[in-house]
Amino acid sequence: AQSVSQHNHHVILSEAASLELGCNYSYGGTVNLFWYVQYPGQHLQLLLKYFSGDPLVKGIKGFEAEFIKSKFSFNLRKPSVQWSDTAEYFCAVNLMDTGRRALTFGSGTRLQVQP
Amino acid sequence: GAGVSQTPSNKVTEKGKYVELRCDPISGHTALYWYRQSLGQGPEFLIYFQGTGAADDSGLPNDRFFAVRPEGSVSTLKIQRTERGDSAVYLCASSSTPGRVSYNEQFFGPGTRLTVL
Repeated sequence: AQSVSQHNHHVILSEAASLELGCNYSYGGTVNLFWYVQYPGQHLQLLLKYFSGDPLVKGIKGFEAEFIKSKFSFNLRKPSVQWSDTAEYFCAVNLMDTGRRALTFGSGTRLQVQP
Repeated sequence: GAGVSQTPSNKVTEKGKYVELRCDPISGHTALYWYRQSLGQGPEFLIYFQGTGAADDSGLPNDRFFAVRPEGSVSTLKIQRTERGDSAVYLCASSSTPGRVSYNEQFFGPGTRLTVL
């Protein structure tokens, strides 16, 4: 079965530190890739997405992600985190070749930014 | 409304009871999805509607779970004979019309937290 792995379950950083959250998926075909964020007490919001084209994708709030097809990875990065980035981050994949609409999510990474 | 709405926000029930969870998608969105999120996990797909029909129900865990979308807008997820293991946050998402690039983006609601005692 297809799966999405997020290696870091809980990350603690100080403000201004750089962030990289890992995401790997197990599927050899065409994919759409997403990062969603869930701030405390709020619902899932789309942070950024990759459908095709430039593998370096820029999203909201200074986040970016790079799709590396050969590594089946879509890591999330931010050069300098802020306290307001404290949230849970989910990577998700849509398997385009299958025709299925379902998103497969990773288990999430809880990011805690200390002031 | 501007976003996906779900009611109730919280539901507490007893083992063996029947529950209904409601989702109101973004206006004009033809696709609607249900997911379930257990504590410490990412959302897991349950069912997908395109219009009124269930196009993919492969994620429903068993026949106690059923969902409808009779008029192609509001959807209801129905759980019969609830079990303690059904306790989770039930999420609804919607996306726009097939053929549009935005069809591939799913917009999520706030969820319904179901607790089965």
